[in-house]
Amino acid sequence: AQKITQTQPGMFVQEKEAVTLDCTYDTSDPSYGLFWYKQPSSGEMIFLIYQGSYDQQNATEGRYSLNFQKARKSANLVISASQLGDSAMYFCAMSLKAAGNKLTFGGGTRVLVKP
Amino acid sequence: GAVVSQHPSRVICKSGTSVKIECRSLDFQATTMFWYRQFPKQSLMLMATSNEGSKATYEQGVEKDKFLINHASLTLSTLTVTSAHPEDSSFYICSALGLAGGLTDTQYFGPGTRLTVL
Repeated sequence: AQKITQTQPGMFVQEKEAVTLDCTYDTSDPSYGLFWYKQPSSGEMIFLIYQGSYDQQNATEGRYSLNFQKARKSANLVISASQLGDSAMYFCAMSLKAAGNKLTFGGGTRVLVKP
Repeated sequence: GAVVSQHPSRVICKSGTSVKIECRSLDFQATTMFWYRQFPKQSLMLMATSNEGSKATYEQGVEKDKFLINHASLTLSTLTVTSAHPEDSSFYICSALGLAGGLTDTQYFGPGTRLTVL
C-alpha cells in the first residue's frame, strides 16, 4: 500500500522568502504521480503542481517547484518569494495508475506567511 | 479551465433527514469523480470512487447504504447522506478526473460542502 508522509505540521515563513515543504512517499509501484494541493481557509483544494515518476526534470509552475528525489522517495515543494496569500494548508498526494488514479494524501503542512 | 462546482456550500439539517450534495465539472467531462470527507485539522479521506454509468466503489469502512452516490452523466455526480446523524457532520469535497490519458490525469476539486447535523 502507498503512504505519504509530511513531517512538518506547521511552519512560519517571512514574506518574500522561500520555503520548502517536505514530502516523502512509499510505494512499490514504479508508475505513480505526485501532486501538491493548497487548501486555504475557505476549504477548496487548489492544484499546484504535478510530478510523474518517469519525469526526468523537476516540475515547475510559476513560484512553485518540486524537488523530486526518486532514490530518496521525496517530493518536496518549494515556494519562492512567499506572499501573504500563500498562507494555507498544503497537502502532498500520490496517485497510482494501477489504483485507478485514487489520491492518497499526506497529513498536510500549515504555512503562515509573516509580513 | 478545469472548474468543478459543488452545491450546496453549506447545509444544516436535523438528525434523521437526508441531504444531497451535487458535484459538477463545468468545463470538462469527467468519467471518474471522487468523494472525500475531511474532519477539522485532518487530511482528506477518500470515501468512494464514482464512475459514470456504473456503481460507485466504496473505500473500506464506508457504508454504501449511508452514503449513496450516483454518477448519472459525465459532468454530474451526487452524494446523498441518508438519515444523517451528528457524527456525519463534516466537510465533504468532491473531485473530478480529467480525460487526459496516462498518469497526468489530475483531480480537480470542488469548493466543498460543510454539513452540520443537529
